Amino acid sequence: GQQLNQNPQSMFIQEGEDVSMNCTSSSIFNTWLWYKQDPGEGPVLLIALYKAGELTSNGRLTAQFGITRKDSFLNISASIPSDVGIYFCAGRGYGGSQGNLIFGKGTKLSVKP
Amino acid sequence: DARVTQTPRHKVTEMGQEVTMRCQPILGHNTVFWYRQTMMQGLELLAYFRNRAPLDDSGMPKDRFSAEMPDATLATLKIQPSEPRDSAVYFCASGLGQGKGQPQHFGDGTRLSIL
Repeated sequence: GQQLNQNPQSMFIQEGEDVSMNCTSSSIFNTWLWYKQDPGEGPVLLIALYKAGELTSNGRLTAQFGITRKDSFLNISASIPSDVGIYFCAGRGYGGSQGNLIFGKGTKLSVKP
Repeated sequence: DARVTQTPRHKVTEMGQEVTMRCQPILGHNTVFWYRQTMMQGLELLAYFRNRAPLDDSGMPKDRFSAEMPDATLATLKIQPSEPRDSAVYFCASGLGQGKGQPQHFGDGTRLSIL
């Protein structure tokens, strides 16, 4: 079945630093989504990507849909303490049960003030 | 902002008891998903409805789990009998349409502990 590999699993950074994380899939996707989950809450959608090569920003967050359609990247610039949380990528491939998202295992981000 | 509402937020019960979790999707959304989240497995899709009809429940243990949508404003996930390995956070998500381009919006989950 389709698999998503999300890296890194965790990051410990200093406030003000930039952050990069990525997801790669074993097959081609037509949609990539990035979510953030705070403790005790559900994942919240940050950015949605629908076309290969698409680059979309949401404040200090920027995500890209890889040209190969098998990967996506999320960058956070000038991190702040409230960026702490778990970031999930999710993708939807062609075929199979429509509507299903496949989720990565998450990148846990810790920011030191 | 419209949100997916899940109840209860927390549930602690003994092994063998029936557990019912409820979800109110965002008004107007026609797709509803149930996920289970654990440290080991991450987010796993259990079941998926479109226009109240079950489309995919292949991720759900059929012998003890059941998912229904009695009406467009309510989705339920039941476990009977519950087992300790069912302890997890269960999320409901809803969305619009089908296929490409429709993100899912999550509730805050039901944290289930089976003793």
